[in-house]
Amino acid sequence: EAGVTQFPSHSVIEKGQTVTLRCDPISGHDNLYWYRRVMGKEIKFLLHFVKESKQDESGMPNNRFLAERTGGTYSTLKVQPAELEDSGVYFCASSQVAGGPGNIQYFGAGTRLSVL
Amino acid sequence: AQSVAQPEDQVNVAEGNPLTVKCTYSVSGNPYLFWYVQYPNRGLQFLLKYITGDNLVKGSYGFEAEFNKSQTSFHLKKPSALVSDSALYFCAVRPISGGYNKLIFGAGTRLAVHP
Repeated sequence: EAGVTQFPSHSVIEKGQTVTLRCDPISGHDNLYWYRRVMGKEIKFLLHFVKESKQDESGMPNNRFLAERTGGTYSTLKVQPAELEDSGVYFCASSQVAGGPGNIQYFGAGTRLSVL
Repeated sequence: AQSVAQPEDQVNVAEGNPLTVKCTYSVSGNPYLFWYVQYPNRGLQFLLKYITGDNLVKGSYGFEAEFNKSQTSFHLKKPSALVSDSALYFCAVRPISGGYNKLIFGAGTRLAVHP
């Protein structure tokens, strides 16, 4: 069974440009999460999808970030326009269930975003 | 604010020696507790979790973790370290109440096991 897949693995863009990150969750997982790790600090939650619906987007930093999950399968995270402080590693995770003890989130390898 | 602290940026251990990676947390109520490991160029891999019951939980690759409610700690341990255990380790919590589905992570601890 394939794990969580993210691409690209690394993206280098200039300030003001647009970047789109993609995440393919584990097949059958309705729950999809985006997280971000900036400059070696803690990994922080961005948002949570249940199928195609945004369950919790409390961690989204500002309106330059747009996440979508059309059809409830893969998800994209677009940053437009990118700023220097957006640099970091963006992780995607998926889980079969949301709440309760059964919620184990499985992570992808991350996309390293460098904004110059 | 709810938070997780990993007080050591790096832990150095000789191969064959026991290792401990520390984690304390500050959350409202009782949380679920997790450890993840990240090997170079790989994703975060789930190691183990504490839900309830026995304070010592066992996970993958010979790792275990000890939950201490009074100290709000969840330290990761292994009796005998391997060079291949060298990686970045993250502690995470998920509060049980309040409909929380997101994980709250610490900043990570780099484990270096020397031959």
